[in-house]
Amino acid sequence: DSGVTQTPKHLITATGQRVTLRCSPRSGDLSVYWYQQSLDQGLQFLIQYYNGEERAKGNILERFSAQQFPDLHSELNLSSLELGDSALYFCASSVVFEDGELFFGEGSRLTVL
Amino acid sequence: GENVEQHPSTLSVQEGDSAVIKCTYSDSASNYFPWYKQELGKGPQLIIDIRSNVGEKKDQRIAVTLNKTAKHFSLHITETQPEDSAVYFCAAYVLMEYGNKLVFGAGTILRVKS
Repeated sequence: DSGVTQTPKHLITATGQRVTLRCSPRSGDLSVYWYQQSLDQGLQFLIQYYNGEERAKGNILERFSAQQFPDLHSELNLSSLELGDSALYFCASSVVFEDGELFFGEGSRLTVL
Repeated sequence: GENVEQHPSTLSVQEGDSAVIKCTYSDSASNYFPWYKQELGKGPQLIIDIRSNVGEKKDQRIAVTLNKTAKHFSLHITETQPEDSAVYFCAAYVLMEYGNKLVFGAGTILRVKS
C-alpha cells in the first residue's frame, strides 16, 4: 500500500459526459502528479501541483482540468468525454519538490462508451 | 522534447536466468533515473533508482547501471523468479520552469517461465 488513495477505482460513462477523479496523497506529501496510462501511450504526464499551486503541465487536453485543495487532496476533472479518453488515470505524490520517489495510487479506470 | 526509449517491449526468460532492460533518454540535464514495477491491477512501484553521480547501484538481485555520456541506463535482474513477472518502466526526471515530472519509457512486459 503506497498510501495514495484514488477514487473511484472504476468508472463507466458515456461520450460527452463529465467525471471527477479524486486523489488523496500520502500524509505530508505536498506534491501531486497526474498521469494517464493507455495501452498505446504508456504513462503520460498530465499535470503537477505543489502545495495547492499548479507547477507543471504536460500534454493535458483543454477538456481536462485539475486542482489541489488546501487539505492537499487533488481532483482531475474530465469533460466532454470521448472514446479515446478511456484509460487508467494515476495520481502520484512526493514528499519533496525536487527529484525523488513518486508514490503511485492504484489508479482510476475510466471507460467511455 | 524530452523522450525516454525503452527496449525490449516484451521479454521472456526462464526462471533463474537474468533479464536486462535498456533505456535511453534525451534530456542531458536529467539527473535522476528510477525504475518502476507495475503488477496487474496495481500502480507502479519504485524498485530501484540511480542518480547521475553514480554509475551503478545494486539491491540484492536488482542492479541499475548508468552511462551519462551515452545517455543510457539499464536494469539487470539476476536469478529471476516467477514473481518478477510484471511490467517494468524506466523513467528520467525532468526539471521544468516551475515544476518537474518523470518521463517514462513505454514499458517492458517481463515473463518469467517456471
